[in-house]
Amino acid sequence: NAGVTQTPKFRILKIGQSMTLQCAQDMNHNYMYWYRQDPGMGLKLIYYSVGAGITDKGEVPNGYNVSRSTTEDFPLRLELAAPSQTSVYFCASSYSTGGLNTEAFFGQGTRLTVV
Amino acid sequence: AQSVTQLGSHVSVSEGALVLLRCNYSSSVPPYLFWYVQYPNQGLQLLLKYTSAATLVKGINGFEAEFKKSETSFHLTKPSAHMSDAAEYFCASGTGGGNKLTFGTGTQLKVEL
Repeated sequence: NAGVTQTPKFRILKIGQSMTLQCAQDMNHNYMYWYRQDPGMGLKLIYYSVGAGITDKGEVPNGYNVSRSTTEDFPLRLELAAPSQTSVYFCASSYSTGGLNTEAFFGQGTRLTVV
Repeated sequence: AQSVTQLGSHVSVSEGALVLLRCNYSSSVPPYLFWYVQYPNQGLQLLLKYTSAATLVKGINGFEAEFKKSETSFHLTKPSAHMSDAAEYFCASGTGGGNKLTFGTGTQLKVEL
């Protein structure tokens, strides 16, 4: 199984440009998440989704948008890239029923640099 | 609100020595607790998880962690470090609502000969 697949792996953007980070999972997980990782800061939740058509903000949503039209895909959109969005982005997914926390599976990450 | 504190951003041990990585949590409800490992340029991989079934949790690669409610701790240990254990380790806390995880800031483990 592929698990969680993120594309691209690396990207350099100019200030003000837009891009979409792609994330796909093939495990039929209902929950999907986007995190950003900055040195010494751990991972911060940007957005998450509990199922197709349902998304919600995490801890650091400003400057980002998401959509969840299918169970498999959860793209993250940056509309006007800013240097503060230079980071490593991780997509993750998990399966949960009844609120029980289960393991989150992570993609390999997208390293984004905004210049 | 949940929070997770990892004491020590960098830990260095000799090969064969005990590994102890510290994690304290703050939660208003009984938490679910996780330890993840991240190797360079990789995503995060689950080492072990606590979901209230047993206070001593065994994970992969010889790691284990003990949940201590009185100390609000979930420290990660391994009796004998191996060079391949060098990586960054993250403690995380979750609750049932939304399955969202709150991560600590991470501990970089270095293993020396």
